[in-house]
Amino acid sequence: EAEVAQSPRYKITEKSQAVAFWCDPISGHATLYWYRQILGQGPELLVQFQDESVVDDSQLPKDRFSAERLKGVDSTLKIQPAELGDSAMYLCASSQDRGNSPLHFGNGTRLTVT
Amino acid sequence: RKEVEQDPGPFNVPEGATVAFNCTYSNSASQSFFWYRQDCRKEPKLLMSVYSSGNEDGRFTAQLNRASQYISLLIRDSKLSDSATYLCVVNRYGANNLFFGTGTRLTVIP
Repeated sequence: EAEVAQSPRYKITEKSQAVAFWCDPISGHATLYWYRQILGQGPELLVQFQDESVVDDSQLPKDRFSAERLKGVDSTLKIQPAELGDSAMYLCASSQDRGNSPLHFGNGTRLTVT
Repeated sequence: RKEVEQDPGPFNVPEGATVAFNCTYSNSASQSFFWYRQDCRKEPKLLMSVYSSGNEDGRFTAQLNRASQYISLLIRDSKLSDSATYLCVVNRYGANNLFFGTGTRLTVIP
């Protein structure tokens, strides 16, 4: 079964440093999502792409977070500078279409900011 | 009011028991519904979609009640391996994305 690839699996960084996460969705999936999940809570959407275009980044803290999907395939999520409150699991997911199809998640990147 | 609400639990049930979770959603225009399973420190994985007429997959049954705006998940003959967090996911018509509940924690006890 095709999978969503994410890297790294774990990342420890000091506050004020920059950190980046990478995601490669399932081939053919036009919609890509970045979610953040804090322990004990459900995933919260950070940004959604349709092909290379951002369709929803209303919950993305744009002063420090940025995301891109330049060629409409893989994507990068960046945090600069990282803060202690950014410690969480960052999940990438993809789907065939917006909203109606289920999401397929990658393994996630667990970020710890010290 | 949150888009999607779930009882966080925890639900602690003995092996072989039947357990049911409900999930309420706030927007009557919601049109797609899913249950995901998430093991500790792992990614969510699709358990099943929820169809209007209700659907079953082995020991798992999902139902949708549009009038009362909730979906349910029933697990029969619980196994130790069913221990996980179960996330309710709802898509709202006109929205581009899916809304997650906070999850219900299930522990099946030997």
